[in-house]
Amino acid sequence: GAVVSQHPSRVICKSGTSVKIECRSLDFQATTMFWYRQFPKQSLMLMATSNEGSKATYEQGVEKDKFLINHASLTLSTLTVTSAHPEDSSFYICSAPEPGSRGEQFFGPGTRLTVL
Amino acid sequence: DAKTTQPNSMESNEEEPVHLPCNHSTISGTDYIHWYRQLPSQGPEYVIHGLTSNVNNRMASLAIAEDRKSSTLILHRATLRDAAVYYCILRTSYDKVIFGPGTSLSVIP
Repeated sequence: GAVVSQHPSRVICKSGTSVKIECRSLDFQATTMFWYRQFPKQSLMLMATSNEGSKATYEQGVEKDKFLINHASLTLSTLTVTSAHPEDSSFYICSAPEPGSRGEQFFGPGTRLTVL
Repeated sequence: DAKTTQPNSMESNEEEPVHLPCNHSTISGTDYIHWYRQLPSQGPEYVIHGLTSNVNNRMASLAIAEDRKSSTLILHRATLRDAAVYYCILRTSYDKVIFGPGTSLSVIP
């Protein structure tokens, strides 16, 4: 199946700093990618839809100025957590549908963010 | 959005078959039934999907009720590596994937 990678896999930062997480589709092009957040022992929560060449679409309750999304190319989307605080500590996961796959979604391995 | 209902948790003995149920009574005609699973500290992994007919692949089988209001994911021989949270999701083509709580499967050696 198709491969989606994320970088970094794990990041620890100080409160108030910004952190950028990259999501790449390695062997296919993705005009759309999705960003999720997952707290311990909970399910994945969709944060936003990243659209290549246009603005991201955010789910209700997700602050767009807090979580900046840039879909710079057909294989790269980035999520920047601005002015991170301890409550932003979470597991961030991206996904992308493979074109022509009848809707299969491929997920990245996730990025563990810890804000001190 | 059409929703799914799954048991919170299930247990299985190693090397025995596992039947994971999912109810989706409000499914529409264009909704595909997808199953994903998530191992601890990993991103979700696609398992299988179907529309009306039963489906088989190397990982599992998907049995879909005739009225499509329920489905069952079948793992033919559970291994310890199958311990994960299994999510049953309804999707229409390329739209976003919304996760419910899923079923946490424990496999007992």
